[in-house]
Amino acid sequence: ETGVTQSPTHLIKTRGQQVTLRCSSQSGHNTVSWYQQALGQGPQFIFQYYREEENGRGNFPPRFSGLQFPNYSSELNVNALELDDSALYLCASTLWGMFGGYTFGSGTRLTVV
Amino acid sequence: TQLLEQSPQFLSIQEGENLTVYCNSSSVFSSLQWYRQEPGEGPVLLVTVVTGGEVKKLKRLTFQFGDARKDSSLHITAAQTGDTGLYLCAGANDMRFGAGTRLTVKP
Repeated sequence: ETGVTQSPTHLIKTRGQQVTLRCSSQSGHNTVSWYQQALGQGPQFIFQYYREEENGRGNFPPRFSGLQFPNYSSELNVNALELDDSALYLCASTLWGMFGGYTFGSGTRLTVV
Repeated sequence: TQLLEQSPQFLSIQEGENLTVYCNSSSVFSSLQWYRQEPGEGPVLLVTVVTGGEVKKLKRLTFQFGDARKDSSLHITAAQTGDTGLYLCAGANDMRFGAGTRLTVKP
């Protein structure tokens, strides 16, 4: 089975720009969560998608938005980038209702300059 | 939002030593998960604990879930350099993570 794939792996953007990060969930998984991880910190929950709808959101402003597609892949969009948005963005997938835990991708390293 | 506190924040030990890291909350969890993350990679699931008082062993790693399902510990016996990494706990209720314990095992 394929794992979680994220693209791109690295990205450099300028403050004020917009960015789209992509995630392909693991085969058989239907739920995707996105996390922001600053250097030296634990992952911070951004939001979760299930059945193409947002199902829970962390303490992030509306300029962080997302989508889930019928094939369960997902996008994270960030508008009006700020320097503090520089971080590793992680996508994780699971099968809804399972205790089996999440499978994470290797992340997208976003640098805002 | 259920807050998870992990301690210690940093731990540096010599190879062969034993260690325990902790994950505590004031909230009850239906289950709790431990992950290990290496630099440049996403977290990898180590174990899920579900039942209060449960003990699970994964080779040299022993995980315990508190009786009240509010806390958990991870004990590593005879640490190896390959155990180096960021150890994270997450509550299955809402998949929020603690800040992690950064473990360095020196040869």
